[in-house]
Amino acid sequence: NAGVTQTPKFQVLKTGQSMTLQCAQDMNHNSMYWYRQDPGMGLRLIYYSASEGTTDKGEVPNGYNVSRLNKREFSLRLESAAPSQTSVYFCASSWDRGNTEAFFGQGTRLTVV
Amino acid sequence: KNEVEQSPQNLTAQEGEFITINCSYSVGISALHWLQQHPGGGIVSLFMLSSGKKKHGRLIATINIQEKHSSLHITASHPRDSAVYICAVRVITGGGNKLTFGTGTQLKVEL
Repeated sequence: NAGVTQTPKFQVLKTGQSMTLQCAQDMNHNSMYWYRQDPGMGLRLIYYSASEGTTDKGEVPNGYNVSRLNKREFSLRLESAAPSQTSVYFCASSWDRGNTEAFFGQGTRLTVV
Repeated sequence: KNEVEQSPQNLTAQEGEFITINCSYSVGISALHWLQQHPGGGIVSLFMLSSGKKKHGRLIATINIQEKHSSLHITASHPRDSAVYICAVRVITGGGNKLTFGTGTQLKVEL
């Protein structure tokens, strides 16, 4: 089983460029999440989607937009990349937002120069 | 102060040693997760627990709700256990549950 698939794995952007990180899960999960991981800090929630058609802001949403295209796919868009957005990004999914296990993608290492 | 604190931050052990990683939290939670992150970055869920103890192979996780503390134990450690171990708690909030993560414990097991 593929689980949670993220693309791309690596990306280098120039300041001001835009890009979309793609995420898809094949486990029929309702909830999907985007996190960023920075050195010395725990993963921080950018946006989440509790179900198809709904999205909500997390702790650090500024500079990002998301789309829950369908139940499988949840994309993260950087409209105008900034060096502060250099990070490792993880997509995750779970059955719901309650006490269920979360499954993570392999991560996208993004560098903004 | 972080809501989730892990100790130690870094740990080097010899193959075969018994390892303990600790996690303390300061908020009300509905569950606690232990995750493993290997070099190369992927994150895998090891345990989810809300009380007591769980065991999977050489890994054991315990939680004491009253003391707001959890431990992850690795018995007979092996170099392939080298990874970052992350504690995350599902915090009860007015808007539902959210996961709050510790900063991780970097474990290196040497031959």
